[in-house]
Amino acid sequence: GENVEQHPSTLSVQEGDSAVIKCTYSDSASNYFPWYKQELGKRPQLIIDIRSNVGEKKDQRIAVTLNKTAKHFSLHITETQPEDSAVYFCAASIPHGGTSYGKLTFGQGTILTVHP
Amino acid sequence: EPEVTQTPSHQVTQMGQEVILRCVPISNHLYFYWYRQILGQKVEFLVSFYNNEISEKSEIFDDQFSVERPDGSNFTLKIRSTKLEDSAMYFCASNQVRRTSGRGSTLYSDYEQYFGPGTRLTVT
Repeated sequence: GENVEQHPSTLSVQEGDSAVIKCTYSDSASNYFPWYKQELGKRPQLIIDIRSNVGEKKDQRIAVTLNKTAKHFSLHITETQPEDSAVYFCAASIPHGGTSYGKLTFGQGTILTVHP
Repeated sequence: EPEVTQTPSHQVTQMGQEVILRCVPISNHLYFYWYRQILGQKVEFLVSFYNNEISEKSEIFDDQFSVERPDGSNFTLKIRSTKLEDSAMYFCASNQVRRTSGRGSTLYSDYEQYFGPGTRLTVT
C-alpha cells in the first residue's frame, strides 16, 4: 500500500520567514495530494491540494509543488505569522475502483511554530 | 457552509463495552470515511463507504468494527468490544464525486475530504 513520509517532524521559524515541509510517497498511482492544518484538539482542515496533472499551485502565502518523477511534494508558506502555528499533515490518495476518489494516507505531521 | 457533524464529542467507556460513534456527512456527499488519530500521532484510515457498502478498509478495521448508514443522513462506526488501544480521536469525513452523462456536460470531481470535528474515545 501507499506510504507517505514527512519531514521535518518539528519546524521553528521567526515571524516573516518562510517554512518548507516535504513529503515523499511510494505509490506512483497516487494522483491527489492535499495538505491539512490541524490546530490543537480540532479537525484537520484542508489548506491546499494538488492533483498529479499539475506541478505547482499557489494560494496567497501558501504554495505546493509536486515532482511526480521523484514522488515528492512540498508545502511552502511565505511570510509566516504566529497564527500559522499548528500541525501540518500531507497526504496522498490513490483512485479506487475506477473512480477518482480514494482513502487518504497521511504523513506523520510537522509541528510548525512561528515565533513573534 | 455545510459541515460534517459528529456525536458525541467525547465518549468514555469501559474495556469490553460496545460504542457507536455517529456522523452526519454533508447532505449531497456520496463517499464516507472513518479515520482515527491516536494522541500525538498521524491520522490513519479505517474504512470508506459508498453506495451502502464498504469500499476499502485498513488492517485496523477488523471484525470488532462495523459501519452502517441506517438512514439517509447518519453514518455510524460501531466498535463491538472496546480495547484500551482503541482510545483515540475518531474523525468522520465525506466527499463527493459527480460524474456526468450525456452530451455537453462537464466532468466534475471534488477530491476534498471534509472532516468532522471528531469524537474523542477514551477506553478505561
